[in-house]
Amino acid sequence: QKEVEQNSGPLSVPEGAIASLNCTYSDRGSQSFFWYRQYSGKSPELIMSIYSNGDKEDGRFTAQLNKASQYVSLLIRDSQPSDSATYLCAVNGYGGSQGNLIFGKGTKLSVKP
Amino acid sequence: GAGVSQTPSNKVTEKGKYVELRCDPISGHTALYWYRQSLGQGPEFLIYFQGTGAADDSGLPNDRFFAVRPEGSVSTLKIQRTERGDSAMYLCASSLNVGPYEQYFGPGTRLTVT
Repeated sequence: QKEVEQNSGPLSVPEGAIASLNCTYSDRGSQSFFWYRQYSGKSPELIMSIYSNGDKEDGRFTAQLNKASQYVSLLIRDSQPSDSATYLCAVNGYGGSQGNLIFGKGTKLSVKP
Repeated sequence: GAGVSQTPSNKVTEKGKYVELRCDPISGHTALYWYRQSLGQGPEFLIYFQGTGAADDSGLPNDRFFAVRPEGSVSTLKIQRTERGDSAMYLCASSLNVGPYEQYFGPGTRLTVT
């Protein structure tokens, strides 16, 4: 059973701080990793993808991947109240299931003004 | 450009009825995915299509669920003899191709079975 684990939170940070969201996955053969943001009642919105070990930066967001530790994280710098949402970690399957994504349950982030 | 669209946005139906949920993917995307999301959970995979064919339907919960994509574009998820446990958000996503490609989600259809 392929699993993706996230701390459900809520994670509360003050405005302007760095928010750190973590995710572990069970399938060592996973190749592609994604972070989605989901506002309450809305559908997931893709914010980052990462495929290689190391860091990938896009604006205030940095994704970090460590395949040896089966760990992926998302850092949000200068957090804003508008960043308050649930963040979903998703991992692409491999082999015969290369298409579908396996999602964690999400971490709820609250950014306090 | 236009994103993934889904209709209806909300559907309320009685237990035992048949429903169809429609998804129109991003133009040029060959892969289309259906997921189901319950409150407090991440999306769960149902089925995906590469072109017209269902490449993997291992996530469909039982034979009451069926999906088609006859022309390789629009897809319809069909649920027969709905049960209250089918109530959830049904999400459709598309990607350029199958594999390590980014998937973009539509707004979803909220299905409520009374």
